Amino acid sequence: GQNIDQPTEMTATEGAIVQINCTYQTSGFNGLFWYQQHAGEAPTFLSYNVLDGLEEKGRFSSFLSRSKGYSYLLLKELQMKDSASYLCAVKTGGSYIPTFGRGTSLIVHP
Amino acid sequence: EPEVTQTPSHQVTQMGQEVILRCVPISNHLYFYWYRQILGQKVEFLVSFYNNEISEKSEIFDDQFSVERPDGSNFTLKIRSTKLEDSAMYFCASTTGANNSPLHFGNGTRLTVT
Repeated sequence: GQNIDQPTEMTATEGAIVQINCTYQTSGFNGLFWYQQHAGEAPTFLSYNVLDGLEEKGRFSSFLSRSKGYSYLLLKELQMKDSASYLCAVKTGGSYIPTFGRGTSLIVHP
Repeated sequence: EPEVTQTPSHQVTQMGQEVILRCVPISNHLYFYWYRQILGQKVEFLVSFYNNEISEKSEIFDDQFSVERPDGSNFTLKIRSTKLEDSAMYFCASTTGANNSPLHFGNGTRLTVT
């Protein structure tokens, strides 16, 4: 089976940095994606990790440790528009189907 | 930037009725998917489609569901006899098939079964 865990909700202050964690236990591993989803909208792609380490893309970075089954999404210089759900999705070995976690609802306040 | 389009944006139907949800994937993408998201819950995989046939499906995708690519551009999801618990947002997505290719989602169809 597969298990993907994320915190349900986080709050942070505008301008701050927030780290959203994702842990997974899957049968094999073939890549991890982070998506952003605003309420009532479709998920949109943020980042992809398949090798250990940090991937940086503007204000957003994503880190992966395959041996620990762990990833995080780092959001810097938070803006009000960053209030959304952040979804961790894992592709398991032998499959190209991403399986989603429950998502972390991030609330950014002034 | 090319995008996945879905119609209708909202569908209301009575229990027991058939519905067809429509999608136009990105033109150079080869893999097509349907996911659903019940309100307040996670995005769940239903089915994937490649080379004109189903390549994987989940336990949710039972005999009440079917998919079709009737022409070169459309990709449809049919629910034969809707149930109350089918009420959800249904997302179509497509990818190139490369390992690092993310899912490109359409804006979804909100299905309400009454």
